[in-house]
Amino acid sequence: ETGVTQTPRHLVMGMTNKKSLKCEQHLGHNAMYWYKQSAKKPLELMFVYNFKEQTENNSVPSRFSPECPNSSHLFLHLHTLQPEDSALYLCASSQLTSGGAKTQYFGPGTRLLVL
Amino acid sequence: GIQVEQSPPDLILQEGANSTLRCNFSDSVNNLQWFHQNPWGQLINLFYIPSGTKQNGRLSATTVATERYSLLYISSSQTTDSGVYFCAVGESNYKLTFGKGTLLTVNP
Repeated sequence: ETGVTQTPRHLVMGMTNKKSLKCEQHLGHNAMYWYKQSAKKPLELMFVYNFKEQTENNSVPSRFSPECPNSSHLFLHLHTLQPEDSALYLCASSQLTSGGAKTQYFGPGTRLLVL
Repeated sequence: GIQVEQSPPDLILQEGANSTLRCNFSDSVNNLQWFHQNPWGQLINLFYIPSGTKQNGRLSATTVATERYSLLYISSSQTTDSGVYFCAVGESNYKLTFGKGTLLTVNP
């Protein structure tokens, strides 16, 4: 248990569906992240939210839409995905200070399959 | 951007053996972390170690920032140590770049 939860843990969706991934952190952190982990590839940073403001969008296609309503919750809205978007989607959080970011804590991930 | 290389890519050990995993990075960093990913995908952070040496039970890590590498030592390995070990480095306050990982298999 890392203090970061993600739902659902598994998701199968068609290319025309709309779904959302949810992440919640119980650590009092002020920064949250979405990562994508595809088979045989390193983890790729998708989005970063710092104090609810998006500070990083790593050239992610618009079919992925993040939302951060408060510093404890992060969503990833999915629509018209492609089969190559099938991957493990990981959420993380950390505490940013004037001295920089420290340890990132990860949720268990959502394993997504797009048919 | 910064490059992160981990070696070896795969490692198979017998229970009780020791091992050393290496992480090389291409530029100065202010954040370096080691993670273990279990077979179910959960990433557990092992060490936050931008420089120096730390130990936690059978695991220890050393980062030589001036020479741009970090080492993770696993002693008396157990089957539960199996999984993928990732090194991740950060140049900015929050952005981490991950290596491709070392897949460790510990056989009983």
